[in-house]
Parts: sequence; C-alpha cells; structure tokens
Amino acid sequence: GAVVSQHPSWVICKSGTSVKIECRSLDFQATTMFWYRQFPKQSLMLMATSNEGSKATYEQGVEKDKFLINHASLTLSTLTVTSAHPEDSSFYICSAVIPGRFTDTQYFGPGTRLTVL
Amino acid sequence: AQKVTQAQTEISVVEKEDVTLDCVYETRDTTYYLFWYKQPPSGELVFLIRRNSFDEQNEISGRYSWNFQKSTSSFNFTITASQVVDSAVYFCALSSNDYKLSFGAGTTVTVRA
Repeated sequence: GAVVSQHPSWVICKSGTSVKIECRSLDFQATTMFWYRQFPKQSLMLMATSNEGSKATYEQGVEKDKFLINHASLTLSTLTVTSAHPEDSSFYICSAVIPGRFTDTQYFGPGTRLTVL
Repeated sequence: AQKVTQAQTEISVVEKEDVTLDCVYETRDTTYYLFWYKQPPSGELVFLIRRNSFDEQNEISGRYSWNFQKSTSSFNFTITASQVVDSAVYFCALSSNDYKLSFGAGTTVTVRA
C-alpha cells in the first residue's frame, strides 16, 4: 500500500537554530500534503496545506515565516522550523493525498519528534 | 467550522471487557467524511475506518464496530472483548472534500490484563 516516510524521526536542537523535516510519498505522487502538529497529550492540529508547485496555505494562527513549507516535487514536502524555541517542541506529522482519489484513507507519515533545548 | 468532540478523556477496562468510545461532530457540509484513528505509544497514526456522510450503514471489522447516526451527529466506536494491545489513544476525525482533518481531543484507552 501507499507509504509516507518522514525524516528525521526525532531531532534535538538548540534554541535559535532551524530544523528541516522531510515528508516523502514513497510509492505514489502527491500533489497535496498536509502538516499537523501534536503537543504532548493533545490532539493533532492542522498547520498547513502543502501544494506541489505553489505556495503553502496556512491555518489561522500558524506563522508562515516561522514554519516554512516547500513542496518542490510530487513526492517531497519539507517543513522548516526557523529559529526554533522550546515552545516549538512537538510531534510533527505529515500526510499525503493521492490526487483525484480519496479512498479509504489519507496516508500519514510516522511523525517527527522535535525537542528544542 | 467543523468540530469533533470526544467527551471521554480516559477509559480503563479489564481485558475482555467491551469498550465504547463516543464521538460527536458538527459540520455545515452536506458531504463529509468521518474517521477513526488509533495512535499507539510509538506515535504513528493507524487508520481504522472512514465513513461517508451518505452511508449510514454500521460496520463491523473483527472486534471493532462502528455506529454512525446522522440524526444525533454521532460516530461511536466499540471494541469488543478488549485486549492489552488495544491500549492506545483513539482519535475521531472529520473532513470535507478538501481532505483537511479536524481531530477530536482523543480518548486514551487502557486495557489491563
């Protein structure tokens, strides 16, 4: 079946540094990917929609200059957390949609756990 | 705006007991999709089911069953004869045709041996 991967699976960084997280669709092309964030013991919240070849659209309250999203190809979307701070520590999960078809599921990646010291 | 409410924060049962997770949703869309996901401690979301708004048929898959009632905007999930491996956080979610998922707060299920 469809598989979505994320890299890295976990990352620890110092406050003020930038961190890039990759989301790849391994066996299908995805024109649309989504980025979700999950704080400890909380639910998943949609951050942004990543569209191949165009600018990402961000949900209300999400700083687009802080969370840079690039969807340069049909199989890769990247989320860069710029100037990360401890409050950005969270579990980031991407998902991918097969274009033109919405079948049984939206395919989720395994998540990336970010810890900012 | 879409909203999903999972009123139960935590449920603890003994193995072999049945457990029902409640989910109530709000949407103005006439076409929408409801989901249940399982999130074990590893964090990876496991898809369990999708139900379309125009399909109110209940579904059973092994020990899992779902009850969809549009009249009460509910999409409840029952685990029959629970097992320790069922321990996880379960999320109910809702989307429209834009694929964007609105998740409920989640219910933590603990099954004790």
